[in-house]
Amino acid sequence: EDQVTQSPEALRLQEGESSSLNCSYTVSGLRGLFWYRQDPGKGPEFLFTLYSAGEEKEKERLKATLTKKESFLHITAPKPEDSATYLCAVGGTSYGKLTFGQGTILTVHP
Amino acid sequence: KAGVTQTPRYLIKTRGQQVTLSCSPISGHRSVSWYQQTPGQGLQFLFEYFSETQRNKGNFPGRFSGRQFSNSRSEMNVSTLELGDSALYLCASSERTSGIGELFFGEGSRLTVL
Repeated sequence: EDQVTQSPEALRLQEGESSSLNCSYTVSGLRGLFWYRQDPGKGPEFLFTLYSAGEEKEKERLKATLTKKESFLHITAPKPEDSATYLCAVGGTSYGKLTFGQGTILTVHP
Repeated sequence: KAGVTQTPRYLIKTRGQQVTLSCSPISGHRSVSWYQQTPGQGLQFLFEYFSETQRNKGNFPGRFSGRQFSNSRSEMNVSTLELGDSALYLCASSERTSGIGELFFGEGSRLTVL
């Protein structure tokens, strides 16, 4: 069974204080690792897809990396508007099915 | 392009009733998936439809069902509601026709069962 574990559960940062979120996974036949951002009361918003170990993707202050067992979401010089829950998910060989982690709640204080 | 649209956004039901939720995918997307999100279990996969056929189903009881229409719009139904069915129900669409690709989620339907 596919499994995703995210750490930490919650992270508080000061504005400008860079940090990383971790996503550990086990999956039979990785077809993609996905990062989403979710704001309270809204649906998850797609951020990145990573397909193979060594791959990196960037978007504004966010950078996602992938190894064979983990993915990291690096946040550089965060701003208060980056506060959200960040979800990691893996896709295997099942149609339409992503297995999600519990998420990391990020709070950035001004 | 319009995003995934879900209706209704909020609804309150009582135990034993049934509910139908609707989802309109992004134009051109033919794959529609449904997820349940609760504080305790997080996001859990319900089922996936493509070209009016259910291709995959998660570990939920038979009270949870769905269908997809020829225009790719989808509905899910929960019968004989239980308190534990209170959750945010999320619909997602994908342009992938096989395997797994990026899922684009709607805002969800918040169901409260009293």
